[in-house]
Amino acid sequence: GAGVSQSPSNKVTEKGKDVELRCDPISGHTALYWYRQSLGQGLEFLIYFQGNSAPDKSGLPSDRFSAERTGGSVSTLTIQRTQQEDSAVYLCASSLVLANYGYTFGSGTRLTVV
Amino acid sequence: GIQVEQSPPDLILQEGANSTLRCNFSDSVNNLQWFHQNPWGQLINLFYIPSGTKQNGRLSATTVATERYSLLYISSSQTTDSGVYFCAVEPGTGANNLFFGTGTRLTVIP
Repeated sequence: GAGVSQSPSNKVTEKGKDVELRCDPISGHTALYWYRQSLGQGLEFLIYFQGNSAPDKSGLPSDRFSAERTGGSVSTLTIQRTQQEDSAVYLCASSLVLANYGYTFGSGTRLTVV
Repeated sequence: GIQVEQSPPDLILQEGANSTLRCNFSDSVNNLQWFHQNPWGQLINLFYIPSGTKQNGRLSATTVATERYSLLYISSSQTTDSGVYFCAVEPGTGANNLFFGTGTRLTVIP
């Protein structure tokens, strides 16, 4: 597509429920990144994909977080047993190749855990 | 890990004024990007500038990699320039992701 698309744009969930966030990158972009932004804060790196592979998962905050990418395109970020501290905006970005080009960000998913 | 410091943290300008935002980083970098986050939260890539100088309209950026800093210049500021400006770097160690500074919050008043 023309831009990076994320869904849903907003998600309110009860503590303890699982949520799935989706990112559809720009067509042809091989690299995909997930970041998290808490209210009024900077961006915290979570995970990146080169194709379908995620070489470094150390940025994920806990084992409740997981991510996958299929077909070198769509990625999903899953948070199990959500906690209130998971509330944040989850941002996805893609770039043509890994790292050495400009990133294009989606509009984010605002997650609120109540 | 690499440290990215931005200054000033907050800036208020009268419409039409010029400003310079600074980004200092603690180690060598392969990649440096400037982003603008508008009041609705959308992040827009302004410049991919690991070194040298680039200009795009009223905005320009300069990175002096050997001295580990980058500057973003905004000339003839407009109210639509308001938002948070982030500097982000990829360390030269090949981390393959960007580390973001804490941002400069710019408010342009008419």
